[in-house]
Amino acid sequence: DAMVIQNPRYQVTQFGKPVTLSCSQTLNHNVMYWYQQKSSQAPKLLFHYYDKDFNNEADTPDNFQSRRPNTSFCFLDIRSPGLGDAAMYLCATSRDRFGTGNTDTQYFGPGTRLTVL
Amino acid sequence: DAKTTQPPSMDCAEGRAANLPCNHSTISGNEYVYWYRQIHSQGPQYIIHGLKNNETNEMASLIITEDRKSSTLILPHATLRDTAVYYCIVSRYTGTASKLTFGTGTRLQVTL
Repeated sequence: DAMVIQNPRYQVTQFGKPVTLSCSQTLNHNVMYWYQQKSSQAPKLLFHYYDKDFNNEADTPDNFQSRRPNTSFCFLDIRSPGLGDAAMYLCATSRDRFGTGNTDTQYFGPGTRLTVL
Repeated sequence: DAKTTQPPSMDCAEGRAANLPCNHSTISGNEYVYWYRQIHSQGPQYIIHGLKNNETNEMASLIITEDRKSSTLILPHATLRDTAVYYCIVSRYTGTASKLTFGTGTRLQVTL
C-alpha cells in the first residue's frame, strides 16, 4: 500500500545533541510537510517543501532545519534540541492541487515521538 | 486564518450515530472544511472534506450549513475503534500547499 513512513517511531536524544528524523513516501506526492505536536495540543506546521522549494513558517525557530534530497525522502534536523522540543513530529504529504480543485488533501505518517533528556 | 470551535468531548454508544459539530464562522469563500481523527500516539487520519455541498464517503458524512459557518461530521454506526480525537480543520490553499488551521478537537469516546 502507498503510504507515509517515519523512522524511527521513538527517538531519545540528549539536550543539545543534534538529531535527525526521517520521512519517506511511496505516494509520489509533490508536497511534504513537517509538524510538531506537543502533548494534548493540535499539530503545528513547521515548514513544507513544494517539490524542491522550501517554505518556512514565520514562527519556526532556526533550530529546526529540513532537507529533501529527492521526491521520496524528507528529513527534519534539530540542531540543538532543548527540553521544550520534546514532542511528536509528524510528516505529511499532499499531491498538488492541480486537478483537485482549490484544495490539496494531506496524508500523515505515524509520527516520531522525540524525548530530550 | 479561520478558526474552528469544537466541544472538548462527546460520548456515543456503539452502533449509534455520532454527530460531531464544528463552528467555523470566519471561514472564507475559498477555504475548505476538513475532518481528521487521531487515535492515541498515531498520526492524524484523513476522514472527509467539503466546500459547500454535503459529502459522503465510506467512513463518514459531512453536512455543511448553507452559510458555511458550521458543519457536522456524522459517523453513521460508531464502533469502539472510532474512539479518537476528531479535528475540524479549515484548509486554505496558499499556492504551494494547503495550510491547515486545526481546532482544539473533540475527544469522542465510544462505549458498549
